Amino acid sequence: RKEVEQDPGPFNVPEGATVAFNCTYSNSASQSFFWYRQDCRKEPKLLMSVYSSGNEDGRFTAQLNRASQYISLLIRDSKLSDSATYLCVVNSGYSTLTFGKGTMLLVSP
Amino acid sequence: DVKVTQSSRYLVKRTGEKVFLECVQDMDHENMFWYRQDPGLGLRLIYFSYDVKMKEKGDIPEGYSVSREKKERFSLILESASTNQTSMYLCASSIRPRADSYTFGSGTRLTVV
Repeated sequence: RKEVEQDPGPFNVPEGATVAFNCTYSNSASQSFFWYRQDCRKEPKLLMSVYSSGNEDGRFTAQLNRASQYISLLIRDSKLSDSATYLCVVNSGYSTLTFGKGTMLLVSP
Repeated sequence: DVKVTQSSRYLVKRTGEKVFLECVQDMDHENMFWYRQDPGLGLRLIYFSYDVKMKEKGDIPEGYSVSREKKERFSLILESASTNQTSMYLCASSIRPRADSYTFGSGTRLTVV
């Protein structure tokens, strides 16, 4: 069964904190990995892809561990605007994706 | 920017009604998808399509059908709406088989009473 598992949270952090989310996936044949962000009552939007060597986009760093089948997202210097649900996403076949249920982040002043 | 437009933001229908949810994209994407999103269950794939008149079942197709008569339009049909189909429905499209090309519509919140 294809599954993507995430801690639902919420993660409550103060502004400026560093926070990390992990995600595990069960399909060892998965080739593509992503983090999406979803604001309350909005549609999901791509935050960043996750590459085998790890990649960074500003305050966001994504890592992939194929051997252990997990993906991580690190957010440094958290902003209030980072408050959202972060979805771990894994490809599950040609053109189709499996979404994790999401991890909620709440950044407080 | 690619735009994916869902015809209704909110919809209320009665049990047993036939319901049509429409999705239109304006960037000539080959791939289109219908998901539903429920609290605690996340996003689940209902149906998808790679081309006109082509459709494939996703993880939860029961109680739904789809139609893709034109490349830009992908319709989700609830043949006989039931209360357990109350949900947020999200349409997405992509030009190639990569998630970083997925664009979602803003969603239709359907309530079946």
